[in-house]
Amino acid sequence: QTVVTQEPSFSVSPGGTVTLTCGLSSGSVSTNYYPSWYQQTPGQTPRTLIYSTNTRSSGVPDRFSGSILGNKAALTITGAQADDECDYYCVLYMGNGIPVFGGGTKLTVL
Amino acid sequence: EVQLVESGGGLVQPGGSLRLSCAASGFTFNPYWMSWVRQAPGKGLEWVANIKQDGSETYYVDSVKGRFTISKDIAKTSLYLEMNSLRAEDTAVYYCARVVRGGYSTYYFDYWGQGALVTVAS
Repeated sequence: QTVVTQEPSFSVSPGGTVTLTCGLSSGSVSTNYYPSWYQQTPGQTPRTLIYSTNTRSSGVPDRFSGSILGNKAALTITGAQADDECDYYCVLYMGNGIPVFGGGTKLTVL
Repeated sequence: EVQLVESGGGLVQPGGSLRLSCAASGFTFNPYWMSWVRQAPGKGLEWVANIKQDGSETYYVDSVKGRFTISKDIAKTSLYLEMNSLRAEDTAVYYCARVVRGGYSTYYFDYWGQGALVTVAS
């Protein structure tokens, strides 16, 4: 079964820029997987950030952007803020009705 | 305002059954795929099941195939997850989520419920 990979953890300084990635255990991520990104503070409901690779969901600040970098989908946060410290998940759509979540990245802002 | 409200969670013994419901409001229910996503304690998000807009097709993660059934009642604008032969590893918060397919040109979850906790333990 296909595994979607994410960095388990990442650290960024306040005001800094960080890029989180979303890859496949086998193969390259393309726009055909419709990459999407979700933000979740522990104990809270997930929030949709980015869909269709690079479209920001309503109300999401433009500090968040999505792209394809090399063979992975990427979420870039510029001007990191303290409340960006939470978990980030990507989803890739495999077709045939099957989406797969990545394992999530715990982002620390310090 | 789009709202998804789950109910039906609780404590159940291994091998038991439980039915989750998700009441949808604030949008036209019919055109959307709907989904269940779960999160075990301290773990990441895991997609569980999808149902097409008309209920004609359903899809499941391998670990729940044959045990869980997703369904929807368009008249009641509700989504359901019937869970049988429950195992300890099914313990999780279960989220109901709306899926955007955009005419099959995309796939993402755009609205989420607050979640319902299912605990499988003796």
